[in-house]
Amino acid sequence: QLQLQESGPGLVKPSETLSLTCTVSGDSISSRNHYWGWIRQPPGKGLEWIGSMYYSGSPYYNPSLKSRVTISVDTSKNQLSLNLNSVTAADTAVYYCTRQPIVVIQGYPFDYWGQGTLVTVSS
Amino acid sequence: QSALTQPPSASGSPGQSVTISCTGTSSDIGGYNYVSWYQHHPGKAPKLMIYEVTKRPSGVPDRFSGSKSGNTASLTVSGLQAEDEADYYCSSYAGSNIFGVFGAGTKVTVL
Repeated sequence: QLQLQESGPGLVKPSETLSLTCTVSGDSISSRNHYWGWIRQPPGKGLEWIGSMYYSGSPYYNPSLKSRVTISVDTSKNQLSLNLNSVTAADTAVYYCTRQPIVVIQGYPFDYWGQGTLVTVSS
Repeated sequence: QSALTQPPSASGSPGQSVTISCTGTSSDIGGYNYVSWYQHHPGKAPKLMIYEVTKRPSGVPDRFSGSKSGNTASLTVSGLQAEDEADYYCSSYAGSNIFGVFGAGTKVTVL
């Protein structure tokens, strides 16, 4: 059964870099059939797509975050990573790791999600 | 401010139906048949309920159905059950490799 598990610091200081890892089990992050990515939800607000990538391609980013975000894949560890630099309180959110099918199914829906991890930006 | 507009809440009694709307623009919902809906019980992983406007993943009950007209998509839950009480989010592909614009969510309450 597919599982996505987010991990990383729960508290980050303003102006520093938020770094999270998603460990994938039950599927290969090198799958030709999927994108992998991140979505976040600030407290009391809606969902925001951060970015997605194919294991051997270039990432696609939300234009509103593109200047600060980096998403990468480590195929040897079956992990996805997120780095968001120059964080402010507005980056406080639950961060979710996601999978998107790209074969057969169109429209890039997010068919599996991790349970999410809360990251608070505060000094 | 979310890109897609959803009502903050909806409710119905067990066995009744509830419909949630999701309004976007011609650049997202109106431009593509790539609307998806997600069910989220707090503290759990969100679950894909509908994709490509009307399609259900394996295991999703046929009580859940989706539709679209112009720039507005809708999710209908028929035969409401207690376990349907959750937050529901709509999403749409928005072109130019922007894979997901979302609504702010609708809290469905089963009375």
